[in-house]
Parts: sequence; C-alpha cells; structure tokens
Amino acid sequence: QQPVQSPQAVILREGEDAVINCSSSKALYSVHWYRQKHGEAPVFLMILLKGGEQKGHDKISASFNEKKQQSSLYLTASQLSYSGTYFCGTVFGNEKLTFGTGTRLTIIP
Amino acid sequence: DTGVSQDPRHKITKRGQNVTFRCDPISEHNRLYWYRQTLGQGPEFLTYFQNEAQLEKSRLLSDRFSAERPKGSFSTLEIQRTEQGDSAMYLCASRRGATTNEKLFFGSGTQLSVL
Repeated sequence: QQPVQSPQAVILREGEDAVINCSSSKALYSVHWYRQKHGEAPVFLMILLKGGEQKGHDKISASFNEKKQQSSLYLTASQLSYSGTYFCGTVFGNEKLTFGTGTRLTIIP
Repeated sequence: DTGVSQDPRHKITKRGQNVTFRCDPISEHNRLYWYRQTLGQGPEFLTYFQNEAQLEKSRLLSDRFSAERPKGSFSTLEIQRTEQGDSAMYLCASRRGATTNEKLFFGSGTQLSVL
C-alpha cells in the first residue's frame, strides 16, 4: 500500500529544476507533500485534492493525476534551502496518511 | 499556536526496559497520530485518536505498544520490554478535523535508542 516515489535520490545544482513522482497502486482521495530535513520533523508543503491541484509556495508546485493514481512535485530554480527528503503522503479513504518511500534531494552551489 | 511538542527528545534504554513518550498536540486539534520512522524511510503509521478514542491501530504494531489519550488532550505511547528493533524516531502529529484536505502538524519527535 505504500506509495512508491521516484527517483530515490537526486543531486541538483542551484537553479536547476527537479520533478519527484509518487505512484500508488490504489485509488487516491488526496495527496500530501512534506519535506523533512535531517533530524527534524516533516514540514507540510501542500495538499492536492481529487480532481484538482493546489500550489504551495515559492517555486514548488504539484499535480495530481487521479486516473494514473499518481502525483508529481515540481521544484523550479532550486535553492539551497530545498535540500531535504521529500515524502508524498496518500489518503486512501480513511483518515490516516500513508507516506511514500521518500526522495532525497541535494542542492549544491 | 504553540505547535506540537514531544518529550523527551532523546531516550536511550536497555533492551527489556519499558519506555513512555509524551505528545502535546496543538490545543484545538482533536486528531492525534503516532508514527515511527527509521533511517532513510518514510514515517510509518502506528495509531491515531479522535479526542480520547483510539480509532485505528496498525496491524504491524506489537502488543508491547500501547497508546492513550486521556481526556482528549496529551497522549502517551508506551513500549514494554523494548527490543533493539524498536530503535527509531517516534513522531507525533495532530490536526483539527477529519477531512483529508487538512495538513498534519508534526512534533520534533522522540529518538529512541535501545542498547
């Protein structure tokens, strides 16, 4: 049931773009995206509801394709502060959030 | 809004000992969740509460784990007879309502090391 994220890890130079994908084998009700820095708690980025999308902040946005049961997170013109591990969280119809496998993003100057 | 707080931040214990963690959610939040996270993995759901009622518990959770939320305020997670495999970060999160379009607010976690 755990969503699968790809890629597992990515290294970018500052200013480059990245796409992180989250795929589920089950129908989704909504998708959450969180970022976690080493040793810290996950921090909310955005939620995408079934049939729509919501933009978060800065140059980070996301889409939700309910037919394909997947979501993608787009990071544009990456900044050093974007480094961390990104998790999607999926809701299958109950209240609990099931987190994905994670994508470690490293931004280098 | 003082955020979700967890105590202690770190706990080192010997195998076989019991440990208890505390979580204080944001005051108006009636949903409280416990997750466990090991290095390099995403948070894994353990259990959640609506006010004082424990509504779901992961099937992966052994009988050594128990959680309470008396009076629907703070929550405690107890692990009895700890094992080395229990070593992990234990995260607490809360949110106001039940709708899936509400975000979770996480605490900083309790890092458990079982020797």
